[in-house]
Amino acid sequence: DAGVTQSPTHLIKTRGQQVTLRCSPKSGHDTVSWYQQALGQGPQFIFQYYEEEERQRGNFPDRFSGHQFPNYSSELNVNALLLGDSALYLCASSLSPGTEQYFGPGTRLTVT
Amino acid sequence: GNSVTQMEGPVTLSEEAFLTINCTYTATGYPSLFWYVQYPGEGLQLLLKATKADDKGSNKGFEATYRKETTSFHLEKGSVQVSDSAVYFCAQTVMNTGFQKLVFGTGTRLLVSP
Repeated sequence: DAGVTQSPTHLIKTRGQQVTLRCSPKSGHDTVSWYQQALGQGPQFIFQYYEEEERQRGNFPDRFSGHQFPNYSSELNVNALLLGDSALYLCASSLSPGTEQYFGPGTRLTVT
Repeated sequence: GNSVTQMEGPVTLSEEAFLTINCTYTATGYPSLFWYVQYPGEGLQLLLKATKADDKGSNKGFEATYRKETTSFHLEKGSVQVSDSAVYFCAQTVMNTGFQKLVFGTGTRLLVSP
C-alpha cells in the first residue's frame, strides 16, 4: 500500500516566479492538508481540501492557493515567490476530515 | 488560542541514557496530542499519540502521558540509541466544524552519541 507521495522532491525557483507542488494521498484517503516547514521550525498549516473544496485555511496570503482533483490528489500553487517561501512543503492525507493525518516526504523548495 | 511549547534543543545524550523532552500546550477544548519524529532529509513520522486525558501513548520504547491538569505531554524513553537521533515535534489537533488541523511545536533536536 503506497503511502502519501509528493513531487517533485526538490525544486529551485527565482523570486517572482510561480510554483506548483503535487500530492497523491494514501489509498482510500479523501482529505488532503498542506503544511509549510521553514528551516528549524515546526510545520505550519496552510490549508485543507475535501470534496474538491478548500475547507479551512491557516494564516497564509492569497499567493498560496490549491486544488483537489476528483481522484483526491492535490496541488499547492504559490505565486510571486519570495525568498521567505523557501521551506519544506508537507502534504498529509486522512481517511476523512476529522481523522489522523499521514504525512508525505515533502518537497523542498528553494527560492533564490 | 491553541499552541504547543517544547523545550529548546539540542538535547545531547550518550547511548543508553534516559530521555525526557518536555511539551506543554494551550487549547480550547480537549485536543488529541501527538509526537512526530523527523529524521534528516525526511518527512514526519507519527511516533505516538493520545486522544484523552490520562491516556498513555507508546511506541518503540517511547512513552508520553496526556496530563490535563498540567497541560503537558512529555516524551520519555528509558534508554536511547544512536538511531534515535532526530528532531521530535509535539503537536495537538484543532477541530473546526468537523475539520481537523495540526498545530506543532518548534521541534527539539536529539543527538545521541555512542
